[in-house]
Amino acid sequence: GAVVSQHPSWVICKSGTSVKIECRSLDFQATTMFWYRQFPKQSLMLMATSNEGSKATYEQGVEKDKFLINHASLTLSTLTVTSAHPEDSSFYICSAHIGGSSYEQYFGPGTRLTVT
Amino acid sequence: QQQVKQSPQSLIVQKGGIPIINCAYENTAFDYFPWYQQFPGKGPALLIAIRPDVSEKKEGRFTISFNKSAKQFSLHIMDSQPGDSATYFCAARAGGFKTIFGAGTRLFVKA
Repeated sequence: GAVVSQHPSWVICKSGTSVKIECRSLDFQATTMFWYRQFPKQSLMLMATSNEGSKATYEQGVEKDKFLINHASLTLSTLTVTSAHPEDSSFYICSAHIGGSSYEQYFGPGTRLTVT
Repeated sequence: QQQVKQSPQSLIVQKGGIPIINCAYENTAFDYFPWYQQFPGKGPALLIAIRPDVSEKKEGRFTISFNKSAKQFSLHIMDSQPGDSATYFCAARAGGFKTIFGAGTRLFVKA
């Protein structure tokens, strides 16, 4: 149980275009989802926290107009990288939290974004 | 105060050895301390987690030791295998808030 999927697993896009990444909790409902980015050989950096039906909370330094997050249902959150540039190339990972008394969050397999 | 400091940055052990990874924190509001294992190109996977009211927790070959007064915790991997070669992250979380990750330790287990 507690499986989180991401789609696509990798994507290549041209500079200036937008790309959408989906994060789904497959066998549970996630009250909260988190989006991280990870550069090679570095730790996970939290970008934003999203709760179903409300606006995402972005971490300091993360451009909310560039990284659009939508948490439309208890099983789906999307991250859209708008007007992507090569410096946005990274590994994007989502995680989902069941909520309630559970402390655990379950991570997706990640999406490798390359902007050319 | 929100940081979790992890060491060493990298670690090489022989098969069967016991690698130890250490983490330290400052924020006493942290009350959940998970460890994650990450293979290249994959998302992190939970290995084991501990709450501060317990000093030690074992799950299979993985053991967390927790020292609340020193605000330190560590991961021990017993009888390490080449398949354990991965990056390990310690983390800390306070209530329903965001998880803070350590910088990661790259472990290589020699066959």
